[in-house]
Amino acid sequence: DVKVTQSSRYLVKRTGEKVFLECVQDMDHENMFWYRQDPGLGLRLIYFSYDVKMKEKGDIPEGYSVSREKKERFSLILESASTNQTSMYLCASQEGRSQYFGPGTRLLVL
Amino acid sequence: DQQVKQNSPSLSVQEGRISILNCDYTNSMFDYFLWYKKYPAEGPTFLISISSIKDKNEDGRFTVFLNKSAKHLSLHIVPSQPGDSAVYFCAATRWEGNKLVFGAGTILRVKS
Repeated sequence: DVKVTQSSRYLVKRTGEKVFLECVQDMDHENMFWYRQDPGLGLRLIYFSYDVKMKEKGDIPEGYSVSREKKERFSLILESASTNQTSMYLCASQEGRSQYFGPGTRLLVL
Repeated sequence: DQQVKQNSPSLSVQEGRISILNCDYTNSMFDYFLWYKKYPAEGPTFLISISSIKDKNEDGRFTVFLNKSAKHLSLHIVPSQPGDSAVYFCAATRWEGNKLVFGAGTILRVKS
């Protein structure tokens, strides 16, 4: 069974803090993605990766960076958290045409 | 530039009736379309998909219709059940392995 896990379900951080969101998949997929979900805006792609140490900017990469040191792990980094980064963050891995999502991390930046 | 649009933010349907969720796209290069369902505090889960070489795909209570000339697809749920209440996202992609482009989502409420 496909499994994508995210390190935290809920996080509360202060403005200016560095935030790490971890995602792990156990399906040996090459493609992994980070999205944020906001009401009325759907799923917006932040960054994605097609292989280890490879990364590509999505539609809204500003204020974020990523790391893919191992195939199964894709990390999203908020270098200096801001209140407009309060959101639901979703990680996904892809096989063929389908993406499999983790449970999401709800981040609140105060 | 929104390439995938779901123009209805929400839809309310009586239990047992049909739910029809709509999706429009602008990029004629899209050749594969997917529907995802999302409950609050959970990640989206894959529901059903359709290739551009077909105009219909059915899986139990769920059917997706594709009208390429109108660049329009719809998801039909028959009969609707209270457990179908969720956010439904339409997504499109151009070729295998490429990223998905998602719509804004439609909140479906099925009333019992």
